[in-house]
Amino acid sequence: AQTVTQSQPEMSVQEAETVTLSCTYDTSESDYYLFWYKQPPSRQMILVIRQEAYKQQNATENRFSVNFQKAAKSFSLKISDSQLGDAAMYFCAYENQGGKLIFGQGTELSVKP
Amino acid sequence: EAEVAQSPRYKITEKSQAVAFWCDPISGHATLYWYRQILGQGPELLVQFQDESVVDDSQLPKDRFSAERLKGVDSTLKIQPAELGDSAMYLCASSLTSNTEAFFGQGTRLTVV
Repeated sequence: AQTVTQSQPEMSVQEAETVTLSCTYDTSESDYYLFWYKQPPSRQMILVIRQEAYKQQNATENRFSVNFQKAAKSFSLKISDSQLGDAAMYFCAYENQGGKLIFGQGTELSVKP
Repeated sequence: EAEVAQSPRYKITEKSQAVAFWCDPISGHATLYWYRQILGQGPELLVQFQDESVVDDSQLPKDRFSAERLKGVDSTLKIQPAELGDSAMYLCASSLTSNTEAFFGQGTRLTVV
């Protein structure tokens, strides 16, 4: 069974600085998808970034980028130029070819002004 | 903008009572998920539908939980009888197909007393 582990329950970053959130996963599959979702205090989950496992190039979305290490089964999220609005719970998620989407335990990010 | 609709937003019920949640996915989305999220934890997949068919319900406590998506559109999740440990946020999500972005509703906050 696939598992997703986020080892940092809480992280803090100064506004305008860079922070990296860690995620590891376990799977025996070769093709899959990885996601980072953000859940603000209003609790509606939104997609931050998506990575296909068959792509070697790391995905980027504006200030958000990932470091995808397939052999190490690692998928970290880097947030550059952190903003107050980035404060939220961040969930790493794994999706297999069948569409089963499973989440890690989350990392709560706080941004200090 | 299209959204995943869930109702009710909040529900308080007594233990041993029946409770039901409703989800209307974004129009045209074939995949529908129900998740349970305990405060401070990641969402746990309860059931996944592809159109009207159940794809995965391996984590659904079938002695008390049931889910249906009769016409492949909206879906209902039922708990009978509710237990104190069922208190959580119940999230519905939909995606166009598997392996594409999942859109989440605002959730139903269930409190069992």
